[in-house]
Amino acid sequence: NAGVTQTPKFQVLKTGQSMTLQCAQDMNHNSMYWYRQDPGMGLRLIYYSASEGTTDKGEVPNGYNVSRLNKREFSLRLESAAPSQTSVYFCASSEMIATGELFFGEGSRLTVL
Amino acid sequence: AQKITQTQPGMFVQEKEAVTLDCTYDTSDPSYGLFWYKQPSSGEMIFLIYQGSYDQQNATEGRYSLNFQKARKSANLVISASQLGDSAMYFCAMREAPMDTGRRALTFGSGTRLQVQP
Repeated sequence: NAGVTQTPKFQVLKTGQSMTLQCAQDMNHNSMYWYRQDPGMGLRLIYYSASEGTTDKGEVPNGYNVSRLNKREFSLRLESAAPSQTSVYFCASSEMIATGELFFGEGSRLTVL
Repeated sequence: AQKITQTQPGMFVQEKEAVTLDCTYDTSDPSYGLFWYKQPSSGEMIFLIYQGSYDQQNATEGRYSLNFQKARKSANLVISASQLGDSAMYFCAMREAPMDTGRRALTFGSGTRLQVQP
């Protein structure tokens, strides 16, 4: 039972470099999300995709782009990384049934030097 | 304004005792959902319990219960008979808007770190 899989789990970048965080879910969920977690601030929504083919900005979208490649995959791209983007990134998915709780990946720790 | 407020950055509790983690929320939507997640030191986010705004009874899941006071806009998590494995960060979260819209994202509070002492 893989659930939500994120890669890579750890990454160190230099300022200005680009990278893509990959996320895939095998639960056939329509909705997917990217959050970042910083100390003392909980999780903040970067972007979400309510369904395949749609993406919307969350609370902190600046400096990020996303692609909903298909129903399973939702990637997050940093075009020009900045130290302020040092964080733990979580991908999540959910479905429009029952409580609609979010199922999270294990997180990706990104450090920008 | 903060949508989810958790005023206790850290809490200590003795093993086998009960503990209440506070959460207040702010919304003007009549339909919303409230969630609690646990994040152990290993980092994963574990869903604990859910309360819908129209639910008449407080939600319970094993040792977890949600003390839902709608008029006060509070959704406190009660953990009974604390265990050492309960030591973790606990996040309160809210989903506004009905389930049939695209806005299913959760807004999270800043969390409470619970430490269970033997």
